[in-house]
Amino acid sequence: SQQGEEDPQALSIQEGENATMNCSYKTSINNLQWYRQNSGRGLVHLILIRSNEREKHSGRLRVTLDTSKKSSSLLITASRAADTASYFCATDDGGSYIPTFGRGTSLIVHP
Amino acid sequence: NAGVTQTPKFQVLKTGQSMTLQCAQDMNHNSMYWYRQDPGMGLRLIYYSASEGTTDKGEVPNGYNVSRLNKREFSLRLESAAPSQTSVYFCASAGGVGNQPQHFGDGTRLSIL
Repeated sequence: SQQGEEDPQALSIQEGENATMNCSYKTSINNLQWYRQNSGRGLVHLILIRSNEREKHSGRLRVTLDTSKKSSSLLITASRAADTASYFCATDDGGSYIPTFGRGTSLIVHP
Repeated sequence: NAGVTQTPKFQVLKTGQSMTLQCAQDMNHNSMYWYRQDPGMGLRLIYYSASEGTTDKGEVPNGYNVSRLNKREFSLRLESAAPSQTSVYFCASAGGVGNQPQHFGDGTRLSIL
């Protein structure tokens, strides 16, 4: 069964704009992770946020976590064409720590 | 800088043939994972190995077997391939289970005719 679900499924923006994608999940978690996948490649880890954290930053990335709403958001500021990729959230089920991936958001950044 | 290496990168099989997908990591990670990725389905866990000597089923284990050969290597075997197993297969490793980011290989693209 799938724990996290990303929204929107697809996002198209212009270079320089901000991109926001969301992840909702169903049960309590220990942590939530965001990954990026470029076409034809494996997933690359971006950020891990623990259930007791509310916000984390890494360069142009900002991740928030709202455990009361069971949701997370990934914000990419000042997007670049190179940010074009699919973005996945991964959540555990609060017990096994084994991450479950959502279906992803496909981001296209137009130069 | 190899990280996680998967072989082969591409493979075409006929229904009923068998095949082993290889995965090796050079990061001294304890846990390793096999996923399949299908269009519109995201990644689904097939099997994982929390540490050397242990393996456990994931969400979609039917039709697959795994072997944790040693700490570095984790192989996935299809005993009798079926068209429904056409997919992209990813291997990943992590320092441990829980609060550890996963490192992925670039996948094996498998077509079963």
